[in-house]
Amino acid sequence: DAMVIQNPRYQVTQFGKPVTLSCSQTLNHNVMYWYQQKSSQAPKLLFHYYDKDFNNEADTPDNFQSRRPNTSFCFLDIRSPGLGDAAMYLCATSRDPPTVQPQHFGDGTRLSIL
Amino acid sequence: AQKVTQAQTEISVVEKEDVTLDCVYETRDTTYYLFWYKQPPSGELVFLIRRNSFDEQNEISGRYSWNFQKSTSSFNFTITASQVVDSAVYFCALSEVGANNLFFGTGTRLTVIP
Repeated sequence: DAMVIQNPRYQVTQFGKPVTLSCSQTLNHNVMYWYQQKSSQAPKLLFHYYDKDFNNEADTPDNFQSRRPNTSFCFLDIRSPGLGDAAMYLCATSRDPPTVQPQHFGDGTRLSIL
Repeated sequence: AQKVTQAQTEISVVEKEDVTLDCVYETRDTTYYLFWYKQPPSGELVFLIRRNSFDEQNEISGRYSWNFQKSTSSFNFTITASQVVDSAVYFCALSEVGANNLFFGTGTRLTVIP
């Protein structure tokens, strides 16, 4: 089945230690998103790629970076995680145009900071 | 400004009861899309429905139905004969043509008691 796969499901890192979360898709969608979702809150968009074009939300901290080496893969890098970055991170994809097509989400990666 | 309000934070029903989840939205655009997503305890967001602003027809899909009323800016979701597997957090979301992302409501946690 075509899908969005996030690895790992659970990630534990130390305060200040860089961490990378990965997302892959077999849907061949040209738009990929990263969301942060804290407990009992709605998902919050961090950034998205429209093909190779990177679009950062204005309030996304500089600590968060992303890479999309090809259509299928997208990575979220947190350069120096703080305690406030503990959250579920959701990857999603959609076809063009992004605000019209439904987004397909992965299972998420739950990040804990020690 | 865009806004999605889900006033019901948590709802509990007994199995086989019907339940309606409310969603009220605000937008200045005349063209927009509304979505419902389900987030079960496992974490992934599952797309349920998309409705565009020009289509006010109600929709039924099995036990699920949606009532879209532009006059009251509402897009309510009803589950008929609820089942334990319906227990999840349900998010209503809005996207505007030309914007980059979905605006999520804060979600309604539905618990179906056996």
